[in-house]
Amino acid sequence: AQSVAQPEDQVNVAEGNPLTVKCTYSVSGNPYLFWYVQYPNRGLQFLLKYITGDNLVKGSYGFEAEFNKSQTSFHLKKPSALVSDSALYFCAVRDSSGAGSYQLTFGKGTKLSVIP
Amino acid sequence: EAQVTQNPRYLITVTGKKLTVTCSQNMNHEYMSWYRQDPGLGLRQIYYSMNVEVTDKGDVPEGYKVSRKEKRNFPLILESPSPNQTSLYFCASSLNSLVGLEQFFGPGTRLTVL
Repeated sequence: AQSVAQPEDQVNVAEGNPLTVKCTYSVSGNPYLFWYVQYPNRGLQFLLKYITGDNLVKGSYGFEAEFNKSQTSFHLKKPSALVSDSALYFCAVRDSSGAGSYQLTFGKGTKLSVIP
Repeated sequence: EAQVTQNPRYLITVTGKKLTVTCSQNMNHEYMSWYRQDPGLGLRQIYYSMNVEVTDKGDVPEGYKVSRKEKRNFPLILESPSPNQTSLYFCASSLNSLVGLEQFFGPGTRLTVL
């Protein structure tokens, strides 16, 4: 079975500092990995994804994520945090091998608070 | 505007009273899915549909039904709601299910079952 772990329920960072939101995954085949963001009282918005190719992927709003196959991780990063980045962030995985590949499995979410 | 819409956005009901939450997308997407979001549990998939008349169970299908008679619509049916189905529900769609495509989410439906 595929799974995602976001080890931190909450991450606090000062405005202007770099931020990292951690994600590790488990799938039987090759992963498709996604990051979504949820602002208060809103649906989820797609940020970025890794399918294949370059391990560093860039997405919306200046976010990027690095795929590390040996560590089965896909951490979300941003060089300089903004107060407007404060939101709930979800990592998600799909197994490209066919086993459960129609299902997208989400982590429990990490609340990011950027302090002015 | 390309979007996924859900109705109602908020619903308070009582145990056992059948209800339907509608979901519609205007992007001609093949794949649609329903999730529930609960604090500390993240999003869990209820049901998904790969195309018209093709549906399958997700991780938490008990107590829910779905149908996909038209490509654009994917209603979620609770035939006998119970308090443990109080949750925030999201509908999502993507172009298809066979490649690593991102999903587009609706605004959510907050359901309270008394």
